[in-house]
Amino acid sequence: DAGVIQSPRHEVTEMGQEVTLRCKPISGHDYLFWYRQTMMQGLELLVYFNNKAVMDDSGMPKDRFSAKMPNASFSTLKIQPSEPRDSAVYFCASSLGGSSGEQYFGPGTRLTVT
Amino acid sequence: GQSLEQPSEVTAVEGAIVQINCTYQTSGFYGLSWYQQHDGGAPTFLSYNGLDGLEETGRFSSFLSRSDSYGYLLLQELQMKDSASYFCAVRPNTGFQKLVFGTGTRLLVSP
Repeated sequence: DAGVIQSPRHEVTEMGQEVTLRCKPISGHDYLFWYRQTMMQGLELLVYFNNKAVMDDSGMPKDRFSAKMPNASFSTLKIQPSEPRDSAVYFCASSLGGSSGEQYFGPGTRLTVT
Repeated sequence: GQSLEQPSEVTAVEGAIVQINCTYQTSGFYGLSWYQQHDGGAPTFLSYNGLDGLEETGRFSSFLSRSDSYGYLLLQELQMKDSASYFCAVRPNTGFQKLVFGTGTRLLVSP
């Protein structure tokens, strides 16, 4: 299995621009998670889906962030307009669910907003 | 809500045993997990405690005591490759598959 796939791996953009991050979960996993990691805030859950439906987006700044999962094998996280404080590593993870809730993380997208 | 506190950094030498603690305040949760993250890498799952007690997986063990609001990860026979950050995480019982991560502990293993 290829694991969770994320693109791009690195993104540098200017403040005010739109940024779209992409994720392909592991086939058969019903849960998909978007996290943001910074030195100051640590690993924060932004949003997660179950069978393509949003289950919890309480961690996502909704004025500029949006997340979609149009099908079981693809999700996007969009930031519009981007700001320097959005600079972080964004991870996508997927899971089968179950008792341990083990999550499989993608390699991450390092976003830099100048 | 949930908050999980960990020491920011722990140092040890190769071959030693190290314990990374996780103390939490939570209104309720299903279990405690541990993840490892190497610099520049992604978090990877290490272990899960759904019940109180010790879970052993090779050189790594994890412990949970709900009555003490406390858990730990024990790493034995430390190797250089164990240098990484370690995160505890809980699954709140308000969001079945959601994980809330601790502050993370950076482990430095020296020769």
